Amino acid sequence: AQKVTQAQTEISVVEKEDVTLDCVYETRDTTYYLFWYKQPPSGELVFLIRRNSFDEQNEISGRYSWNFQKSTSSFNFTITASQVVDSAVYFCALSELDNFNKFYFGSGTKLNVKP
Amino acid sequence: DAGVIQSPRHEVTEMGQEVTLRCKPISGHDYLFWYRQTMMRGLELLIYFNNNVPIDDSGMPEDRFSAKMPNASFSTLKIQPSEPRDSAVYFCASSLVLATISYNEQFFGPGTRLTVL
Repeated sequence: AQKVTQAQTEISVVEKEDVTLDCVYETRDTTYYLFWYKQPPSGELVFLIRRNSFDEQNEISGRYSWNFQKSTSSFNFTITASQVVDSAVYFCALSELDNFNKFYFGSGTKLNVKP
Repeated sequence: DAGVIQSPRHEVTEMGQEVTLRCKPISGHDYLFWYRQTMMRGLELLIYFNNNVPIDDSGMPEDRFSAKMPNASFSTLKIQPSEPRDSAVYFCASSLVLATISYNEQFFGPGTRLTVL
């Protein structure tokens, strides 16, 4: 079974719309770490955020916000007032305490923001 | 500060040739990772090192692949002989993991796009 599921393969929005990228994870560990990465068309993978399983506070960074809900095993990512520069593939990832270097990546969600 | 540096950025080679990909991790980082990204399989961890020592190479597809880390600032991934199915983007990443595992995020290089004809 996949440990990280990103059910949305591709999303298209018009600039200034809000968009939420879903991430559902599966683990039996009580201590784990969740990540989001951005892969723009240029190809590099850019680290966006890391969350520990014991810290359920939601986080906001500018137009980006993350909603971590243990009850539903979800770590969703919202972009407010999207911009064309947000167009990229976004990956959610999980690592577990007993092997914290092994990242389980989701299949990614391609976000297209149209002007 | 410089990020992870990879070279070359693009490599085109013919089947059977040896290919060497290079990586310089972020200075001070103690973990180094090699990943492969393809449309079919997504991001796959091939091997990772801790303090220059290979820790887990279970993701290396076969004996044609080898990786070394002779010092803290340099690693290579070698494919010999290369095959068309090795065509992919190869990423190197590094991280600094404190004892408390307060930070284990991995920082990725720009990748090497390998095409084997």
